[in-house]
Amino acid sequence: QKEVEQDPGPLSVPEGAIVSLNCTYSNSAFQYFMWYRQYSRKGPELLMYTYSSGNKEDGRFTAQVDKSSKYISLFIRDSQPSDSATYLCAMRDTGGGADGLTFGKGTHLIIQP
Amino acid sequence: KAGVTQTPRYLIKTRGQQVTLSCSPISGHRSVSWYQQTPGQGLQFLFEYFSETQRNKGNFPGRFSGRQFSNSRSEMNVSTLELGDSALYLCASSKGDSGSGNEQFFGPGTRLTVL
Repeated sequence: QKEVEQDPGPLSVPEGAIVSLNCTYSNSAFQYFMWYRQYSRKGPELLMYTYSSGNKEDGRFTAQVDKSSKYISLFIRDSQPSDSATYLCAMRDTGGGADGLTFGKGTHLIIQP
Repeated sequence: KAGVTQTPRYLIKTRGQQVTLSCSPISGHRSVSWYQQTPGQGLQFLFEYFSETQRNKGNFPGRFSGRQFSNSRSEMNVSTLELGDSALYLCASSKGDSGSGNEQFFGPGTRLTVL
């Protein structure tokens, strides 16, 4: 069993829809959770950074963490064609930089105009 | 504020050769982490440097090495290249302090092709 599971997609939705992206993980020590967006042939761009369980909202993006279920989600409201990209979840067990991030393999999202 | 820069952006090498990749972190950031991204394995952690010291290392062979300079710039080296080393190599910059708020910001990557 991989440490972080993420559906690779592709996930295709019409413009304006609410998008839900998810990851599950097995390591209960993970405390810091991130979502990155990666466009083709570019480096990952940090979208959301959260600690422990709860919700965090930033503009059209909402990140949710449920540590009891080992499940994290990213919601995108009013989706735009420019949101079409690969979305990667990442997590770490400490706040310091000593441990690398553990990534899901990413979900390819397509927003249809 | 300038972001993370990586050079070169593209590189083509042949098996058996060695390669050096360079990363300049965001100004004020003291930690540099390196990752390998391939279609099959996704993003995998290589190693992390903080104040010129390697703090952690992923599960990669000894052919992969790195270093960090006093100005926080970092280089990684891959010796005796294999076909399977073809990948996008990404550098991430962070403040490196313990505690929360230690986000990692990625550069554009160096795409290495081994022939």
